[in-house]
Amino acid sequence: DAKTTQPTSMDCAEGRAANLPCNHSTISGNEYVYWYRQIHSQGPQYIIHGLKNNETNEMASLIITEDRKSSTLILPHATLRDTAVYYCIVPLNRDDKIIFGKGTRLHILP
Amino acid sequence: NAGVMQNPRHLVRRRGQEARLRCSPMKGHSHVYWYRQLPEEGLKFMVYLQKENIIDESGMPKERFSAEFPKEGPSILRIQQVVRGDSAAYFCASGPGLAGYEQYFGPGTRLTVT
Repeated sequence: DAKTTQPTSMDCAEGRAANLPCNHSTISGNEYVYWYRQIHSQGPQYIIHGLKNNETNEMASLIITEDRKSSTLILPHATLRDTAVYYCIVPLNRDDKIIFGKGTRLHILP
Repeated sequence: NAGVMQNPRHLVRRRGQEARLRCSPMKGHSHVYWYRQLPEEGLKFMVYLQKENIIDESGMPKERFSAEFPKEGPSILRIQQVVRGDSAAYFCASGPGLAGYEQYFGPGTRLTVT
């Protein structure tokens, strides 16, 4: 898997946008960027993925830089339920296992 | 469409007993992945299966652990002669195995070995 680098932890005020960065400078042209999160004691949850273009769904937006070496996950209006560990992943093969790193522990503050 | 189902949700076994964990993938998904999360640690890949085939078992301990995904029925992760170090949350995920598709995770089975 392409190596990803994320901050260890971040805080965000409830109701504000949470912007979670990820560096993946060794990504190759056909590798996707995936984001998952794990809320405490629950199974991981898929959030979003993208290749080149920015993506948006009901949960979040994914902004990928033009050179594809970094991306940002945006939770537009964070709530307390968004407190979780967020993982940025670039799998080698798109149907392959996920190698979870340490992720970013996001704390949403009331 | 029901999500990934795992049972039991909690399992207590004494040292030396066998643990059998079951995973039913989402409808239409033919690929199953098992992950383990030890207390206060990250998620670690164990094994990747398609129907009747093990595709990648590089994360499976060499002894006591086995997995199967039969043509009919759920995927089974089997741990023989459990030890205290096997206490963990075991998560199953499923996917269609097609390019660009994500994996969906179940709620996990929490195994406690006493």
